[in-house]
Amino acid sequence: SAVISQKPSRDICQRGTSLTIQCQVDSQVTMMFWYRQQPGQSLTLIATANQGSEATYESGFVIDKFPISRPNLTFSTLTVSNMSPEDSSIYLCSVDDWKTQYFGPGTRLLVL
Amino acid sequence: GENVEQHPSTLSVQEGDSAVIKCTYSDSASNYFPWYKQELGKRPQLIIDIRSNVGEKKDQRIAVTLNKTAKHFSLHITETQPEDSAVYFCAASDTGRRALTFGSGTRLQVQP
Repeated sequence: SAVISQKPSRDICQRGTSLTIQCQVDSQVTMMFWYRQQPGQSLTLIATANQGSEATYESGFVIDKFPISRPNLTFSTLTVSNMSPEDSSIYLCSVDDWKTQYFGPGTRLLVL
Repeated sequence: GENVEQHPSTLSVQEGDSAVIKCTYSDSASNYFPWYKQELGKRPQLIIDIRSNVGEKKDQRIAVTLNKTAKHFSLHITETQPEDSAVYFCAASDTGRRALTFGSGTRLQVQP
């Protein structure tokens, strides 16, 4: 299976600031996704990161708040913009290798 | 869009007993159904999956069944062990979109 890393693993941020999360995969993958897991909750899809084009966002998530880049087949970034305490969550990237979907270790974000 | 419901939300069993977690989905286009185990502070880990052309799949103590007509799928864990204690998530997706819609999760506690 693909080896996925995320940076940072955790961060504490002040409201109104932005944080960019990086996701790196050790092999080329077509499909990459970003999910959010709020404390004690399930996973919710934020967007599909499309290589070379704009990400596809789910209902309730907008590009201005969660801009995503996917410059190549092994890397993607998610930015959480103008943060508020409600953005405190775990953010996970995942990759699909046409067999199944694997998750990165997650980025634990606390907004004060 | 797809909606996945999962029951029960918590499940406590004695070591050696069986555990069953049930999910229903709404979108008849869904054809891939993975199950993830998430231990505290860790990423979701795939434990078993099933595709719509199969009714049942087994891997040692873990089995998954799928009823396409009723849009139900279930996870069965036999001979439970304390290390099976975790939160389990079911999910659904279709071949085209591939993004996962998750159930709300089941916290399984295996009492020694």
